[in-house]
Amino acid sequence: KAGVTQTPRYLIKTRGQQVTLSCSPISGHRSVSWYQQTPGQGLQFLFEYFSETQRNKGNFPGRFSGRQFSNSRSEMNVSTLELGDSALYLCASSVSLNTEAFFGQGTRLTVV
Amino acid sequence: GIQVEQSPPDLILQEGANSTLRCNFSDSVNNLQWFHQNPWGQLINLFYSPSGTKQNGRLSATTVATERYSLLYISSSQTTDSGVYFCAVQGGRDDKIIFGKGTRLHILP
Repeated sequence: KAGVTQTPRYLIKTRGQQVTLSCSPISGHRSVSWYQQTPGQGLQFLFEYFSETQRNKGNFPGRFSGRQFSNSRSEMNVSTLELGDSALYLCASSVSLNTEAFFGQGTRLTVV
Repeated sequence: GIQVEQSPPDLILQEGANSTLRCNFSDSVNNLQWFHQNPWGQLINLFYSPSGTKQNGRLSATTVATERYSLLYISSSQTTDSGVYFCAVQGGRDDKIIFGKGTRLHILP
């Protein structure tokens, strides 16, 4: 059974650009959540989706957005990139809400 | 929202020693997991343990939900156990998923 797949693995963008990250959950999993990890702030929750609906959202500015498709795949978008957006972005999937989450390998975003 | 505190922040042990990592949380939880982050950044599932005790080889986790803490035990540590261990909980009024700041474990050969 394939695990959670995140693409791309590495990304370099310049300030002001936008970026879209993709997450394919484990087959049969309907919940996807996203996290940002930085050395200073640790692991912070971004969004949680279930059956194409955003169920919960972390404390991030509106430049961070996401969506989930009918096949449970999810994307997150960051617009008007800032240097501080440089981070490891992790996606997790679970069968349903409040169940065990499994993480992908992450996308390492560098903003220059 | 829920506050999650992990202790100790850093732990250095000799190979073969036992260790106990602690996770305290400030509200009732529906979900609690322990992860080990490998050097490449991936979070590896250790335990899904919102209550009770679970064991997997040299590792075990005990969560006492009524007292709002969880413990991760590592026995007979190996150098490959080195890395950062995270506790993540979900619950409270806003039901957000909150990670602790982690415990960085160094196992010396």
